Amino acid sequence: GAVVSQHPSRVICKSGTSVKIECRSLDFQATTMFWYRQFPKQSLMLMATSNEGSKATYEQGVEKDKFLINHASLTLSTLTVTSAHPEDSSFYICSARMDRGELFFGEGSRLTVL
Amino acid sequence: AQSVTQLDSQVPVFEEAPVELRCNYSSSVSVYLFWYVQYPNQGLQLLLKYLSGSTLVKGINGFEAEFNKSQTSFHLRKPSVHISDTAEYFCAVSVTYNQGGKLIFGQGTELSVKP
Repeated sequence: GAVVSQHPSRVICKSGTSVKIECRSLDFQATTMFWYRQFPKQSLMLMATSNEGSKATYEQGVEKDKFLINHASLTLSTLTVTSAHPEDSSFYICSARMDRGELFFGEGSRLTVL
Repeated sequence: AQSVTQLDSQVPVFEEAPVELRCNYSSSVSVYLFWYVQYPNQGLQLLLKYLSGSTLVKGINGFEAEFNKSQTSFHLRKPSVHISDTAEYFCAVSVTYNQGGKLIFGQGTELSVKP
């Protein structure tokens, strides 16, 4: 099946630094990608919808200046957590949609902010 | 707005026993329904989905689910579970899936299969 890859799978950073997470669709073009955040033992909370070549649509309560999303090509979307703080520590998961509507999830990226 | 409720946060079961994971949704319009499985520190894998047609949907790994519109439910079942089925299971709903829309997830159910 189609593969969506996230990088890095794990990242540890100091408070105040910025971290970039990449989401790539390896064998298909994804016009739409979604970014989710998952706290331990909890569900996935949609953060934003990313469309290639346009600005991301953020869910209510998500700070767009804090979580910068760039969907520069049909196979790559990036999430940058700016000026990260310990409360930003979480598991971030992306998903990418094929043209026919099938949706595939990445393996997730665990961010730990010290 | 749509919402999804998974009634059980944890379901312990013995190996080879049957299991049902419950999911109810709320929506004023027609929905598409999904079940995903998540193994520790991994992304989500689609088990099955209901888009239209037969209300009984068969998925991977021996799982099946039945869409019940009158009860707004989409419960997941497996007649005989294995140790390897131990994982977190998420029910999800979408109104605009066929237009590229987003999924809304339930809180998740942790299935623990014991020998």
